[in-house]
Amino acid sequence: DAGVIQSPRHEVTEMGQEVTLRCKPISGHDYLFWYRQTMMRGLELLIYFNNNVPIDDSGMPEDRFSAKMPNASFSTLKIQPSEPRDSAVYFCASSLRTPGEQFFGPGTRLTVL
Amino acid sequence: DQQVKQNSPSLSVQEGRISILNCDYTNSMFDYFLWYKKYPAEGPTFLISISSIKDKNEDGSFTVFLNKSAKHLSLHIVPSQPGDSAVYFCAAQTGANNLFFGTGTRLTVIP
Repeated sequence: DAGVIQSPRHEVTEMGQEVTLRCKPISGHDYLFWYRQTMMRGLELLIYFNNNVPIDDSGMPEDRFSAKMPNASFSTLKIQPSEPRDSAVYFCASSLRTPGEQFFGPGTRLTVL
Repeated sequence: DQQVKQNSPSLSVQEGRISILNCDYTNSMFDYFLWYKKYPAEGPTFLISISSIKDKNEDGSFTVFLNKSAKHLSLHIVPSQPGDSAVYFCAAQTGANNLFFGTGTRLTVIP
């Protein structure tokens, strides 16, 4: 298995632009998680899905952030409009069950100028 | 409000010696704990976990200890090797809910 796949690996954009991050979870995993890593706050959960349904989005910072999972093999995290304080590394992870081990993708490093 | 805390941002250890990474938590409802390892430009990778019904779990050179009364867990690496140099995150979970991560400890194993 290729593991969790994220794209793009790096994204540089200007303030006000829309940003879409993509994730393909490991096949057969029922749970998908989006995390953000910053120096100040470490790894924070933004939202997670179970069987394509959002379960907990309490970590989504504000309405500019949205996430979708249209099917079991694809999810997106969108920021519109983006702001410089959104600059961070965004990780997607998937798991067979929870509690349990989560498998992380390589992350997308987002820079908003 | 950080529910999982790693108070040591960095640790340096000589090759062959023991590395001890510490983690404290505040939420007594946490019942599952995990350690992840992260190399630069990669996502965290799972190392070892422990359920709250146990106080020790061992896997190769990694051992995790859980002290529920102190709300403290630790990861022991014996022997430490240069390839173990990475950032280590502890994480905690309640039932089916999300993982709370610490801010990480950067381990450097000196050859």
